[in-house]
Amino acid sequence: GAGVSQTPSNKVTEKGKYVELRCDPISGHTALYWYRQSLGQGPEFLIYFQGTGAADDSGLPNDRFFAVRPEGSVSTLKIQRTERGDSAVYLCASSPGQGTQYFGPGTRLLVL
Amino acid sequence: DQQVKQNSPSLSVQEGRISILNCDYTNSMFDYFLWYKKYPAEGPTFLISISSIKDKNEDGRFTVFLNKSAKHLSLHIVPSQPGDSAVYFCAASERNTDKLIFGTGTRLQVFP
Repeated sequence: GAGVSQTPSNKVTEKGKYVELRCDPISGHTALYWYRQSLGQGPEFLIYFQGTGAADDSGLPNDRFFAVRPEGSVSTLKIQRTERGDSAVYLCASSPGQGTQYFGPGTRLLVL
Repeated sequence: DQQVKQNSPSLSVQEGRISILNCDYTNSMFDYFLWYKKYPAEGPTFLISISSIKDKNEDGRFTVFLNKSAKHLSLHIVPSQPGDSAVYFCAASERNTDKLIFGTGTRLQVFP
């Protein structure tokens, strides 16, 4: 497809479990971003990749959160020992270097 | 500390009239501002942006105004259409960074 895609679209897990969320950016976009949106809030920055490297991971809330982009395209956000407070919509965006960020539809994570 | 604030959680406007959505910011280092529109169960869609060197940017029915001295920007939609009904997010970034700081959003409803 032409836009950013994210899988799964919905994920329900139990407290303490491990989850992986996947993002496929727009082809050719070198920059990739992860945001988290809680109910009633705007998206909150988590991490930004330029190519394969994390250029800014200042938004990751703690060491349970980790993201990779091994080949400079697809990225995976990994959450260990999930907590109920991790429930949110996780949004991925990509851009052609600096410039407008284009968002995917998000993954809705629910931790029971 | 909310660096980008959208103080009106909702706005209701009649079709054909002007919609004005407001946004205030506190960080004087912000130099690029964007508006995103979000429909339910979809990711934010880029609408319009403005650099801090400008005070106005227009694209069709959408105009963004920036008042740097007041640290205030607004989005004008004219004429408003029912399809404009969505949540609108204001976002900002600092020079040489790519992470976006979002407001909490304003829900616009355009009624016939």
